[in-house]
Amino acid sequence: GENVEQHPSTLSVQEGDSAVIKCTYSDSASNYFPWYKQELGKRPQLIIDIRSNVGEKKDQRIAVTLNKTAKHFSLHITETQPEDSAVYFCAASKNNFNKFYFGSGTKLNVKP
Amino acid sequence: GAGVSQSPSNKVTEKGKDVELRCDPISGHTALYWYRQRLGQGLEFLIYFQGNSAPDKSGLPSDRFSAERTGESVSTLTIQRTQQEDSAVYLCASSPSGTTNEKLFFGSGTQLSVL
Repeated sequence: GENVEQHPSTLSVQEGDSAVIKCTYSDSASNYFPWYKQELGKRPQLIIDIRSNVGEKKDQRIAVTLNKTAKHFSLHITETQPEDSAVYFCAASKNNFNKFYFGSGTKLNVKP
Repeated sequence: GAGVSQSPSNKVTEKGKDVELRCDPISGHTALYWYRQRLGQGLEFLIYFQGNSAPDKSGLPSDRFSAERTGESVSTLTIQRTQQEDSAVYLCASSPSGTTNEKLFFGSGTQLSVL
């Protein structure tokens, strides 16, 4: 089955700096890669996703890049703010959509 | 309701007891998922329901775990003879139709603690 690895497990940045979280996947048939944000004590929420037919997607301060050849994808957050502090999960799935394979999560701390 | 609802939010039980966790998906969502989140770890797939199709139970860790769903409504996850390693947050999620590449809407989870 699919194996998703996520790095780093914790990340601390100064407010205004950029943050990058990286994930790798093992199944070349995976074609959908969402990112979820989980604030402390709250439920995970989708923040951005990318499909395998594109290499990059951007939404304001958040962007995701995908390298299908290397089987890795990354989340980029620019101009970080304290409210970006949360745990971020990457995931991968393929056409049997019933299984989203999640990474182990990255705890991002943005210091004011 | 406005979102996926789970109950109870917290459950403390003694080793060996049975527990039942409940999930109310968003009205009209045909797909429903259960995930387990151990402390500091990612989301572990447990089971998936899609409409009236047979559920995908491939993620259930042992035969102590079972889940049911009536039609496209409430689902219950039952853990029999609980063990300390069952302690985790159990998250439920639903999606509108379960089609490929669809956003998951998560509940706030049930924190299960087995003493």
